[in-house]
Amino acid sequence: EPEVTQTPSHQVTQMGQEVILRCVPISNHLYFYWYRQILGQKVEFLVSFYNNEISEKSEIFDDQFSVERPDGSNFTLKIRSTKLEDSAMYFCATPRASTDTQYFGPGTRLTVL
Amino acid sequence: ELKVEQNPLFLSMQEGKNYTIYCNYSTTSDRLYWYRQDPGKSLESLFVLLSNGAVKQEGRLMASLDTKARLSTLHITAAVHDLSATYFCAVDKGSGSRLTFGEGTQLTVNP
Repeated sequence: EPEVTQTPSHQVTQMGQEVILRCVPISNHLYFYWYRQILGQKVEFLVSFYNNEISEKSEIFDDQFSVERPDGSNFTLKIRSTKLEDSAMYFCATPRASTDTQYFGPGTRLTVL
Repeated sequence: ELKVEQNPLFLSMQEGKNYTIYCNYSTTSDRLYWYRQDPGKSLESLFVLLSNGAVKQEGRLMASLDTKARLSTLHITAAVHDLSATYFCAVDKGSGSRLTFGEGTQLTVNP
């Protein structure tokens, strides 16, 4: 049983457009993480979100990126002006209750043309 | 900066054989994770190792952690085709902190 679901599963966009990726938890979580994986490469941390605030971010997470929890449940990652190099799989993750293991959502494949 | 290195990066093996994947990391941590990823899919948690000397086994896979050597191993026993996937190790620095991943080991088990 997944801890989170993600929408859309695949997003195709033009360079310079804004995209919003969504992560929907199955149950209440305080911690959320976003990671990305460029095709054929390793998984890279973007940002972590605890109790409705950013707790940690990587050097990848620049001003083009933002995260929100707009309605107290969904958790969004916004890329304001997409670049070709933003093409990747984006994963949301959250720890399962009583463990520290991060469980990953199914991912959103972002293709920037 | 925490660095995580895996080797080998590519591993092709025959069914029935044994092999070990190695994961080295650069700074002190007692928390190491192994994940499996099938092509085009998400990451599936396999093991979490939270102390020196920890050993976990599930089926044909066994993971261990040596925090003094900053080394974890994932041992595959009598490989079967279904184990073909990419295996990632990852390390964090404490509860709630980010995961830093290795480059992954792409395992192919041939009949």
